[in-house]
Amino acid sequence: QVQLQESGPGLVKPSGTLSLTCAVSGDSITNNYWSWVRQPPGEGLEWIGQIQHGGSAYYNPPLKGRVSFSLDKSKNQFSLSLSSVTAADTAMYYCARHQGYSQGYWGQGTLVTVSS
Amino acid sequence: EIVLTQSPGTLSLSPGERATLSCRTSQSVTSNFLAWYQQKPGQAPRLLISGASSRATGIPDRFIGSGSGTDFTLTISRLEPEDFAVYYCQQYDSSVIYTFGQGTKLEIK
Repeated sequence: QVQLQESGPGLVKPSGTLSLTCAVSGDSITNNYWSWVRQPPGEGLEWIGQIQHGGSAYYNPPLKGRVSFSLDKSKNQFSLSLSSVTAADTAMYYCARHQGYSQGYWGQGTLVTVSS
Repeated sequence: EIVLTQSPGTLSLSPGERATLSCRTSQSVTSNFLAWYQQKPGQAPRLLISGASSRATGIPDRFIGSGSGTDFTLTISRLEPEDFAVYYCQQYDSSVIYTFGQGTKLEIK
């Protein structure tokens, strides 16, 4: 059974860098594609980007330049880094595993607040 | 950029009724690349339908996806109490970009 678990600081200062990790169990990150999705409080879903098992990454254009992903094969986890954050980056952040051209498995999410 | 527009924004129905949710895309989308998700309060989204019409594992057959081109529909044939939630459509394009619709809230009347 595939399980994903997000972790990272719940509070980030404006202009700082948001860093989250997604630990995967029940599957190898070298076998699949993985995404990050976020949801501001009370709003809809926004796809942040995808990292593939070989390490190639694709980002949502509005976030390109501020976001980067990485894989840690030794720990079977992948990470998100988002720089120059503002209050608009306050959101629930989800990691997910792809299933074809959709996200079939999701973590429970972690709330990140950007505030001084 | 492909824009997905879901309608209605809110749908008020009673258990046992039929729900019809629409997702229109600004450009024609390959059916393989259209998915539907359900999200309940405090929970992560759950994949319902991929490839426009294929139910994900464990999804009841009252959830029916259909459509092609720019018009896609999620039908819930007979609403159960646990079906009241927010539903999102999502498309993938060959630039490796995923886009969500803004969501339809299905509420109990």
